[in-house]
Amino acid sequence: GAVVSQHPSWVICKSGTSVKIECRSLDFQATTMFWYRQFPKQSLMLMATSNEGSKATYEQGVEKDKFLINHASLTLSTLTVTSAHPEDSSFYICSARDSPEQYFGPGTRLTVT
Amino acid sequence: GQNIDQPTEMTATEGAIVQINCTYQTSGFNGLFWYQQHAGEAPTFLSYNVLDGLEEKGRFSSFLSRSKGYSYLLLKELQMKDSASYLCAVRDTDYGQNFVFGPGTRLSVLP
Repeated sequence: GAVVSQHPSWVICKSGTSVKIECRSLDFQATTMFWYRQFPKQSLMLMATSNEGSKATYEQGVEKDKFLINHASLTLSTLTVTSAHPEDSSFYICSARDSPEQYFGPGTRLTVT
Repeated sequence: GQNIDQPTEMTATEGAIVQINCTYQTSGFNGLFWYQQHAGEAPTFLSYNVLDGLEEKGRFSSFLSRSKGYSYLLLKELQMKDSASYLCAVRDTDYGQNFVFGPGTRLSVLP
């Protein structure tokens, strides 16, 4: 199957700082990528849909000014968590569609201290 | 609205067969997907049904009944490494073709 990579795999940052997470589709082009957040023992919650060359579409309740998404090319999307707070600590997973299947990156565990 | 239900936890014995059920109510439908997720890792694709019936892939099979809003994942010859969470996801055409995920079923395989 297709491969999606994420970097970094884990990050610890101090409250108030910003963190950037990269998501790459390695062997296919993805016009659409997705960003999910998963809290312990819970399912994946879609945060936003990232569209190459245009603005991201955010789900209800997700602050677009806090979670900045940039889809600069057909193989790269980035999520920047700005002014991070401890409640932003979570497992962030990106995904890219290679229709009809959807492939997930390995995830990034963010811990905000 | 959108609603997907799965049992929260299941336990089975190594070598046995287990069936994980999923019921869904979504406004649109364009496929039902099953993913396996080990703790601390991202989900990996297992199977996909868009038409009614059974899809078989080695030890894993998935069944879909669109009229009943029902699917199941069947795991045969269980192995210890099958201990994981199993996520049922529906691609909702009325949700921008995005996935709606169920809560996941945590399967424990015992020796």
